Amino acid sequence: AQRVTQPEKLLSVFKGAPVELKCNYSYSGSPELFWYVQYSRQRLQLLLRHISRESIKGFTADLNKGETSFHLKKPFAQEEDSAMYYCALGGSGGYQKVTFGTGTKLQVIP
Amino acid sequence: DTGVSQDPRHKITKRGQNVTFRCDPISEHNRLYWYRQTLGQGPEFLTYFQNEAQLEKSRLLSDRFSAERPKGSFSTLEIQRTEQGDSAMYLCASTLGYEQYFGPGTRLTVT
Repeated sequence: AQRVTQPEKLLSVFKGAPVELKCNYSYSGSPELFWYVQYSRQRLQLLLRHISRESIKGFTADLNKGETSFHLKKPFAQEEDSAMYYCALGGSGGYQKVTFGTGTKLQVIP
Repeated sequence: DTGVSQDPRHKITKRGQNVTFRCDPISEHNRLYWYRQTLGQGPEFLTYFQNEAQLEKSRLLSDRFSAERPKGSFSTLEIQRTEQGDSAMYLCASTLGYEQYFGPGTRLTVT
């Protein structure tokens, strides 16, 4: 069974502080992990995908298969980072059923 | 093409009535997903299509829910005999590869 756990419903940090949004997953095959973001009054959109290993808007995420984790990190939070962040798990190639976590609301305090 | 669109954006219905939602994906996208989202939860997978074929349906989905994508373009999601527990945001997403493009959602309220 596919499962994604985001233990924090709300994460509040001060502007300029480091951010780490936690995500753990359970999957028996080869996982595809994603982070999606939803800014206020906007649609859900892809932030990054583990395979691309890119840094998007200063965010990075490393897939740790040993710990089954895919935490999202940013060294210095900006006010515009305030949003809902969802970790998502797809099957191999990401072409199948996608399971989302419950989301973490990031609040960056000016 | 301005992205994925969903219609209606809001629907209020009485318990026991049937409702139908429509999703128009980005035109070249061959896969289309339906999700349900309730307050404080992430999007919950309901079903997905590759072209007109429905490839997977969530086991959590009761027989009151049915989805179609007749010509591999737009899709409809019908809920029969609605219940108060069906109140949620229904999201549609389409994709050609791995990145899902989401619509604005249809908010259903069952009174």
